[in-house]
Amino acid sequence: RKEVEQDPGPFNVPEGATVAFNCTYSNSASQSFFWYRQDCRKEPKLLMSVYSSGNEDGRFTAQLNRASQYISLLIRDSKLSDSATYLCAVISNFGNEKLTFGTGTRLTIIP
Amino acid sequence: GAVVSQHPSWVICKSGTSVKIECRSLDFQATTMFWYRQFPKQSLMLMATSNEGSKATYEQGVEKDKFLINHASLTLSTLTVTSAHPEDSSFYICSALSVSSYEQYFGPGTRLTVT
Repeated sequence: RKEVEQDPGPFNVPEGATVAFNCTYSNSASQSFFWYRQDCRKEPKLLMSVYSSGNEDGRFTAQLNRASQYISLLIRDSKLSDSATYLCAVISNFGNEKLTFGTGTRLTIIP
Repeated sequence: GAVVSQHPSWVICKSGTSVKIECRSLDFQATTMFWYRQFPKQSLMLMATSNEGSKATYEQGVEKDKFLINHASLTLSTLTVTSAHPEDSSFYICSALSVSSYEQYFGPGTRLTVT
């Protein structure tokens, strides 16, 4: 089993729709969780960290479910500019900042 | 702030040659830098952790003699792909861990094509 798993998609959704991604992780001792956005042929950029209490940043909401070992990302009122690949990432070991990435979910917003 | 640069941004080389990629933290110090590789339509895979002043730690399956890493200063790490082969063609990305904020910042990546 992969350490971090995501549905690769692609997700094609109309502009203005709400879309949600899930990401599961296998190591129950994982400490930190993140969502990154990666545009084609570019480096990943941190979208948001994911906190136990859940967190929101504008149209983006991230949640963590430790019991079921998954994190989620919700995008409301999607824009054309949201088209990208969304990668979840996990730091599994305290004191070791190694990020383990999921395969990414490709999102295309359709006008 | 928190800018990481990589050089070159892309490189084409012949099979059997060596290629050096530089990763620099421009406005912060980084005792730790990470090197990733990403094949088309795949995720980033960590290759190694580069620590300033000490030997790099390689992930399982990554040949340390083929991918030489040097982290000689708090702002520079280099990855040398030795005797490159076409299967080494990939997108190589570094990240730098800021000693002050403890956040990771990614470089723009280097696209390597081996012919």
